[in-house]
Amino acid sequence: SAVISQKPSRDICQRGTSLTIQCQVDSQVTMMFWYRQQPGQSLTLIATANQGSEATYESGFVIDKFPISRPNLTFSTLTVSNMSPEDSSIYLCSGLQRNTGELFFGEGSRLTVL
Amino acid sequence: AQRVTQPEKLLSVFKGAPVELKCNYSYSGSPELFWYVQYSRQRLQLLLRHISRESIKGFTADLNKGETSFHLKKPFAQEEDSAMYYCALSAHNFNKFYFGSGTKLNVKP
Repeated sequence: SAVISQKPSRDICQRGTSLTIQCQVDSQVTMMFWYRQQPGQSLTLIATANQGSEATYESGFVIDKFPISRPNLTFSTLTVSNMSPEDSSIYLCSGLQRNTGELFFGEGSRLTVL
Repeated sequence: AQRVTQPEKLLSVFKGAPVELKCNYSYSGSPELFWYVQYSRQRLQLLLRHISRESIKGFTADLNKGETSFHLKKPFAQEEDSAMYYCALSAHNFNKFYFGSGTKLNVKP
């Protein structure tokens, strides 16, 4: 199984600040994705993190608000910028395992914005 | 556009009863369908995928292209099956995964 670790696991932030979430995967992973899971709701795909180039964002998500980096194959970051209480959510890093096409998830980062 | 629908937010059954979690999808191409499960205090993990055609923990799911459904079934529910279940669709050669809203299964003793 692919190994995905994510940090921080949780944080409480003030309105207007930014938070960067880090995700480390092992070499079995090819594609990496970032999801948001708001309370009581499903997982919403934010973007696909592309190695060495700009992420591919889904409708409703923009780079200015959610800048994403993937400088190498096994590491990615998601920044939630200029946070508001509406950004309170669980942010999930996921990776697609090479060969099997199985999607693995990190434990999630629970963000609370006051 | 692709969409995954799970009509039930909560499903409560007694231990030993059959269970069926419903999933319908819309997608113009040939999708890959999956069921993911999240047990309390654990990360989301794959339960089964339709191309494997296997039974995991007693669960099975059959892809019905005519009805665009991928319902998850188990003949005899166990208390340890209590969890959140998400149906997911993979599009464009696994380039993206889309998830349903999830069904919370509660198996009562």
